[in-house]
Amino acid sequence: QLQLQESGPGLVKPSETLSLTCNVSGGSISSSSYYWGWIRQPPGKGLEWIGSTSYSGGTYYNPSLKSRVTMSVDTSKNQVSLKLSSVTAADTAMYYCARLFRVVVIKSYYFDYWGQGTLVTVSS
Amino acid sequence: SYELTQPPSLSVSPGQTASITCSGDKLGDKYACWYQQRPGQSPVLVIYQDNKRPSGIPERFSGSNSGNTATLTISGTQAMDEADYYCQAWDSSTVVFGGGTQLTVL
Repeated sequence: QLQLQESGPGLVKPSETLSLTCNVSGGSISSSSYYWGWIRQPPGKGLEWIGSTSYSGGTYYNPSLKSRVTMSVDTSKNQVSLKLSSVTAADTAMYYCARLFRVVVIKSYYFDYWGQGTLVTVSS
Repeated sequence: SYELTQPPSLSVSPGQTASITCSGDKLGDKYACWYQQRPGQSPVLVIYQDNKRPSGIPERFSGSNSGNTATLTISGTQAMDEADYYCQAWDSSTVVFGGGTQLTVL
């Protein structure tokens, strides 16, 4: 059974860079059928997609966050990472790592496995 | 940018049918999926590719998608189905989520 586990600092200061890691276990991170995504959810609000990346370096980013986001995959460690720069209080949220299953020929994309999430608070 | 619109809330009595809608321009030309998020938990995929159920999802969950509207239907709603539900689609190389619908079973 595939498992995803997010980790990283729970508190980040304004203007600094938020860095999170997602450890993937129970399956390979290297497959063209999957991308690995980050989704966030501010307290009491809905889901916001941040972006998704593949083991081969392909990326999709939310246009509204693209200028501040970097994602990568470390196949040797089976890990996915997220960096979000110049954070403000508006970036306070639960951050989820999830596997994006793709069926490209029919343009079907959905998240079939999710981590438990990690809460990040931006505050001085 | 593409937008998906859901009603903020819906109430249903136990045993009744709940229908949650998700509207977007020509959504029927895309594939829609749905997630259930119970309080304090991570989202769980309940419908993908408009009407397919992942393994382990009860048969009372079904989906449809036509025109501008995708619909998640829960037949014989149970108390355990009380949760937030989010639709999601893919447009122009981006993932788009609806704003979510809070389903209350009372």
